Amino acid sequence: QKEVEQDPGPLSVPEGAIVSLNCTYSNSAFQYFMWYRQYSRKGPELLMYTYSSGNKEDGRFTAQVDKSSKYISLFIRDSQPSDSATYLCAMTSGAQKLVFGQGTRLTINP
Amino acid sequence: ETGVTQTPRHLVMGMTNKKSLKCEQHLGHNAMYWYKQSAKKPLELMFVYNFKEQTENNSVPSRFSPECPNSSHLFLHLHTLQPEDSALYLCASSQQWGSGANVLTFGAGSRLTVL
Repeated sequence: QKEVEQDPGPLSVPEGAIVSLNCTYSNSAFQYFMWYRQYSRKGPELLMYTYSSGNKEDGRFTAQVDKSSKYISLFIRDSQPSDSATYLCAMTSGAQKLVFGQGTRLTINP
Repeated sequence: ETGVTQTPRHLVMGMTNKKSLKCEQHLGHNAMYWYKQSAKKPLELMFVYNFKEQTENNSVPSRFSPECPNSSHLFLHLHTLQPEDSALYLCASSQQWGSGANVLTFGAGSRLTVL
């Protein structure tokens, strides 16, 4: 079993839709949870960072962590064509390396 | 320049060549990393340097040789590579290895093709 599972997609939705991206994990020691966004021909950039369980909102983006279910989500509201990218979840216990999901390729169609 | 800069952005090499990838960070971070990104695979951590000392080597073949002369610069020396080594090589930096969230800042990557 992989430590972090992420559906690779691809996922294609119309502009303005709500997008839900998800990851599951197996290591209960993970405490720090991140979402990175990677545009084509660029390196990943940090989008959202959450510690432990709960929600965090930043503009159109909301990150949710459910440690009891070992499940994290990223929601994108009012999606825009500029949101088209690959989204990578990542997590760590803090004392060890960051473990990444496979990445979900997202396309927002105008 | 700010952030993490990688050169070259693209590299094509034969299996018998020797080349190097370079990474420079201007963020004042103390940890630097090499990752390999292949299609349909999660990012693979290759090496970690913390305060110029190598702290992680994730069973990387010896044909990849890292060098970290100071906290701002990181190199990946390549020799006698195989076609399956073709990938995007990403450099990253963070404040310190093994501390809290360990948020990484990535460079744009060096796209390597081995013929």
